[in-house]
Amino acid sequence: QQQVKQSPQSLIVQKGGISIINCAYENTAFDYFPWYQQFPGKGPALLIAIRPDVSEKKEGRFTISFNKSAKQFSLHIMDSQPGDSATYFCAASGVDSNYQLIWGAGTKLIIKP
Amino acid sequence: KAGVTQTPRYLIKTRGQQVTLSCSPISGHRSVSWYQQTPGQGLQFLFEYFSETQRNKGNFPGRFSGRQFSNSRSEMNVSTLELGDSALYLCASSWSGSSYNEQFFGPGTRLTVL
Repeated sequence: QQQVKQSPQSLIVQKGGISIINCAYENTAFDYFPWYQQFPGKGPALLIAIRPDVSEKKEGRFTISFNKSAKQFSLHIMDSQPGDSATYFCAASGVDSNYQLIWGAGTKLIIKP
Repeated sequence: KAGVTQTPRYLIKTRGQQVTLSCSPISGHRSVSWYQQTPGQGLQFLFEYFSETQRNKGNFPGRFSGRQFSNSRSEMNVSTLELGDSALYLCASSWSGSSYNEQFFGPGTRLTVL
């Protein structure tokens, strides 16, 4: 019940297109859902996060959509740019994980110029 | 503000040896978490230290251990290395350690076990 399943494993999008990465979780007690972005040779960095009291959160070109009943959340990157090429990780946490983040396996995103 | 630093950045060891990795958190951060990152597996949580005490522990064998010093710097030790321990080991610091606080990651230590 602690798993977070992330898809796809890899994604290629044309510059200017929309990148969509999906995550599904099992534990209904999870109440914090961040997305982290990792560039080669660097550690992950927080991109955007959402709590289950809202269905969507937008920061610039990045949007998290959250579907509590389906236990799914997704990251949308609008107007994708080559600089967005990175590995993206979703994660979830709550009381049942002792507030430790449970991570998805990651999505390698490549934006073609 | 200086970021999280990890030393060394790269390490090559042979099976059976032991290794110690070091992490210096952001100034003022009292929580340090360690993760193992392998391709296709995402980040696996090893343990978290807060004010010199291990507060949370992941599902790793006892060969993996850690400690935190009074200045919040942390070390991770892996004894009797196995080939499967080859991975990127990431350290993250945060103010309180709650997952609701942003975790700041270092660049990692790339460990290769031959």
